[in-house]
Amino acid sequence: DIQMTQSPSTLSASVGDRVTITCRASQSVSRWLAWYQQKPGKAPKLLIYQASKLESGVPSRFSGSGSGTEFTLTISSLQTDDFASYYCQQYNSESRTFGQGTKVEIK
Amino acid sequence: EVQLVESGGGWVQPGGSLRLSCAASGFTFSSYSMNWVRQAPGKGLEWVSKISASSASIYYADAVMGRFTISRDNGKELLYLEMSSLRDEDTAVYYCAKEDYANGMEVWGQGTTVTVSS
Repeated sequence: DIQMTQSPSTLSASVGDRVTITCRASQSVSRWLAWYQQKPGKAPKLLIYQASKLESGVPSRFSGSGSGTEFTLTISSLQTDDFASYYCQQYNSESRTFGQGTKVEIK
Repeated sequence: EVQLVESGGGWVQPGGSLRLSCAASGFTFSSYSMNWVRQAPGKGLEWVSKISASSASIYYADAVMGRFTISRDNGKELLYLEMSSLRDEDTAVYYCAKEDYANGMEVWGQGTTVTVSS
């Protein structure tokens, strides 16, 4: 199975900060990489698909980049509503796998 | 409105069985692959199983292989997860998710909670 590793596991930041989360795959997933946001007690929400395409309705402060084994999710200017957990997920292999998650906390 | 609603969760003793259901509406259910994803208390997301639109292709995570069975009824727009030989570590919120082959898991249900405990 393809292993997905996110860093950092926890991130403390302030409103207005630029935030970057990294996701590494144990083997190439091409651009078949999605990012999800999850708030406590809620279902995950798709933010980015195919590594860099923004899901409809998602604010433009979110962006994704990368291909192969290295990917990043960037929030250009952190807003109060963005404090949540974020997960990457590969869908190159039929056995889907998620990263372990990154919790973005208020500094 | 595209919607997924899970049901069937509850408390079960180790070794027991449970069947989860996911009711789909607002989209052509028979055209999309579907997934089950779970989240243990305080932990991250874990993919459990995927079934193709026609049920021709089915995949499982190693942790549930041989114990869980995914299936679907396209006429009734229902997705199922039959769980047997349940273990403490299967305790989690179970989500169903609609997958577009190119766009990932684009719609999720609200989840149903499974508790395995003696």
